[in-house]
Amino acid sequence: EVQLVESGGGLVQPGRSLRLSCAASGFTFDDYAMHWVRQAPGKGLEWVSGISWNSGSIGYADSVKGRFTISRDNAKNSLYLQMNSLRAEDTALYYCARWYQPAVAAFGYWGQGTLVTVSS
Amino acid sequence: EIVMTQSPATLSVSPGERATLSCRASQSVSSNLAWYQQKPGQAPRLLIYGASTRATGIPARFSGSGSGTEFTLTISSLQSEDFAVYYCQQYNNWPRWTFGQGTKVEIK
Repeated sequence: EVQLVESGGGLVQPGRSLRLSCAASGFTFDDYAMHWVRQAPGKGLEWVSGISWNSGSIGYADSVKGRFTISRDNAKNSLYLQMNSLRAEDTALYYCARWYQPAVAAFGYWGQGTLVTVSS
Repeated sequence: EIVMTQSPATLSVSPGERATLSCRASQSVSSNLAWYQQKPGQAPRLLIYGASTRATGIPARFSGSGSGTEFTLTISSLQSEDFAVYYCQQYNNWPRWTFGQGTKVEIK
């Protein structure tokens, strides 16, 4: 069974940093690209960042470019999101998501999310 | 960035009726379009990928159509469990995916 478990969220002051993790199991991690998607309270889904299976291709939403860094460790079956210079508008539930199939880039599997609250 | 626009924002439908949701892309995304359902307190669930292919376990009452810039999700006969928020997403522009703002399907 595919499982994605996010961790690392919490309350952080504006301008500070936080590192999110996503532990994957139940599939061959390095067969799949992985992504982060966030959802602010009461709002819609926002794609944040994505990384190819071998970290060779990476993308970011304009809203986080230059502040967030996505990475993965295939040996540890883990995905990460380093978030620097956090702002109030980064407050959201952060999901990690896996492609449905190796060649189907829709998000077929999601974790339950980790909540990040940016507030003084 | 490809902008995805969904309409309407809210759709009021009676159980058993048909619901039609629209999604428009600001430029062609070919058939690289997915639909998701999200219920309160839950992660999104993939319904449709490739604009028209149902994901595993998705009931046949859900169907998707379209290509290029215009897409439709149809729920043929709404069941109580279908009242939720629906999002479209393009995945044509690797690695810059984008979602629509969502359509809430509520009970009329």
